[in-house]
Amino acid sequence: DSGVTQTPKHLITATGQRVTLRCSPRSGDLSVYWYQQSLDQGLQFLIQYYNGEERAKGNILERFSAQQFPDLHSELNLSSLELGDSALYFCASSVQRSGNTIYFGEGSWLTVV
Amino acid sequence: AQSVTQLGSHVSVSEGALVLLRCNYSSSVPPYLFWYVQYPNQGLQLLLKYTTGATLVKGINGFEAEFKKSETSFHLTKPSAHMSDAAEYFCAVSEAGGTSYGKLTFGQGTILTVHP
Repeated sequence: DSGVTQTPKHLITATGQRVTLRCSPRSGDLSVYWYQQSLDQGLQFLIQYYNGEERAKGNILERFSAQQFPDLHSELNLSSLELGDSALYFCASSVQRSGNTIYFGEGSWLTVV
Repeated sequence: AQSVTQLGSHVSVSEGALVLLRCNYSSSVPPYLFWYVQYPNQGLQLLLKYTTGATLVKGINGFEAEFKKSETSFHLTKPSAHMSDAAEYFCAVSEAGGTSYGKLTFGQGTILTVHP
């Protein structure tokens, strides 16, 4: 158990819908990262937050957004869903230092039908 | 910009044989290097990491990796494969310092199969 908690574990939704994925980081970790894992794109970095502020942005679509709340949990919002958004979405957390270990949750499986 | 190339999307070995998973990286600044393992239907678990110091890094489950700057490589090895090592392995790089704030760039992954 990495200490990073993600909900829901599985989600099936229809095209055009909106979903929210939730993440609780490890106790004491201020940084939260979101990654997308799909068969064709592999593991792609989406976005990072540190103590409530956006720190880095990767290949995140405009239809997607995220935030980190004062209690440090984070949410990834996916809207106008398309079939191609079906993927495993990982949340990860770390202490904000270079070279720090990033701990991953077990992921949220999203299936868009 | 950073990138990671894992040579071989599938590697198959016999139980007890040497495991060698290859990883080459590209980074414009000194890198930090990681190997993660993903078992079926599970998240990513850190096997080992290189930040500074000794270039031969030992990790969990008997794995080790050697950072070779001249070859821009960070290959993962294990002397004797076990059936429980069957999983997908990911090499990743992050920048030492800079503005990347520790985010990881992953390779495409290598699926390790272990035969009895």
